[in-house]
Amino acid sequence: NAGVTQTPKFRVLKTGQSMTLLCAQDMNHEYMYWYRQDPGMGLRLIHYSVGEGTTAKGEVPDGYNVSRLKKQNFLLGLESAAPSQTSVYFCASSYRLRQPYEQYFGPGTRLTVT
Amino acid sequence: DQQVKQNSPSLSVQEGRISILNCDYTNSMFDYFLWYKKYPAEGPTFLISISSIKDKNEDGRFTVFLNKSAKHLSLHIVPSQPGDSAVYFCAASDPGNQFYFGTGTSLTVIP
Repeated sequence: NAGVTQTPKFRVLKTGQSMTLLCAQDMNHEYMYWYRQDPGMGLRLIHYSVGEGTTAKGEVPDGYNVSRLKKQNFLLGLESAAPSQTSVYFCASSYRLRQPYEQYFGPGTRLTVT
Repeated sequence: DQQVKQNSPSLSVQEGRISILNCDYTNSMFDYFLWYKKYPAEGPTFLISISSIKDKNEDGRFTVFLNKSAKHLSLHIVPSQPGDSAVYFCAASDPGNQFYFGTGTSLTVIP
């Protein structure tokens, strides 16, 4: 099993450009999440999905959109990148109702917006 | 406002001694708590968890303690090993399955 994979690993964008981050999981998990990690801020939830075709907002959703067209994939889109979106982005997945509810994380995508 | 707080950014411990990492939270609706470990350039990996109906959970060298009245949990690592050197994140889950993470504590175990 590959677990949770993220594409790309690194990206540099100019202000105003758009991009999509792809997350894929092969564990048949129902829940998937997108986080961003910034220095001194820990991980903050951007959006999450409780199943195929459903998404919900997390703590910091502004400036991002997501889609979950297939159960194994969760896409994070930046329509018009801003320097404030420079961060490390982590995707995670988990079973829906199975303790200990742990999330499995991908290796991260380092995004720089200039 | 940060609902999960880890007030110690870093901790150094001698190999073989006990490491104690602390975490405080503000939301009384949190019903599940987890600890994650993170190495540089990798995603966090799950370490141990505890339900709000318990006050202790043990897994090998790792024990998590929960004090609901104080809204405080701690992770004990005994004995500490150099391979435990990493950043440790505390996380809490609400009934809606949203997770809230602390800012992390960087643990260094000195050989």
